[in-house]
Amino acid sequence: GQNIDQPTEMTATEGAIVQINCTYQTSGFNGLFWYQQHAGEAPTFLSYNVLDGLEEKGRFSSFLSRSKGYSYLLLKELQMKDSASYLCAVRDTGTALIFGKGTTLSVSS
Amino acid sequence: DSGVTQTPKHLITATGQRVTLRCSPRSGDLSVYWYQQSLDQGLQFLIQYYNGEERAKGNILERFSAQQFPDLHSELNLSSLELGDSALYFCASSAEGDGGTEAFFGQGTRLTVV
Repeated sequence: GQNIDQPTEMTATEGAIVQINCTYQTSGFNGLFWYQQHAGEAPTFLSYNVLDGLEEKGRFSSFLSRSKGYSYLLLKELQMKDSASYLCAVRDTGTALIFGKGTTLSVSS
Repeated sequence: DSGVTQTPKHLITATGQRVTLRCSPRSGDLSVYWYQQSLDQGLQFLIQYYNGEERAKGNILERFSAQQFPDLHSELNLSSLELGDSALYFCASSAEGDGGTEAFFGQGTRLTVV
């Protein structure tokens, strides 16, 4: 079956670093995506990993280990505007994305 | 602005009714994906069209159907609506048929069935 797990909620303070983990079990693997979604809004693309290793993009980095079925999203220098849901998604053998239920991150001052 | 346009933004209708949601993909994108997002289920893939033809099917109910027109806009038809169909419906588009490295989401249609 298809299963993507991520923590339901996380909290952090402004300026801190937070790591959001995602584990997946899918029938195939053709890329892992992270999206950010503010309440009631559209998901916006953050990162894409298809090979093992770290992809860095400004304050955001994403890591993938295919052998472990594991990824994390690292957010540095947290800002209040980073309060949102972070969605981990895997493309298995098809073309569509299978999403986890998302991690709601609350950033406080 | 992702460039993907969905209409209407909000829709309230009664059980048993039928509604049509519309999506215009980003200019040049050939693939359109439909997703349903409810509070307890997260984003669920419904169906994908590529250049007018159905490419992939997810957990789409038989009461739901979709199509993509020659101008590449897509419509999602929901019929015999039930209370449980209340959700946010998102459309996403990408250039490639295989999904590529990024999909752009529209702002969604919030459907409320009463």
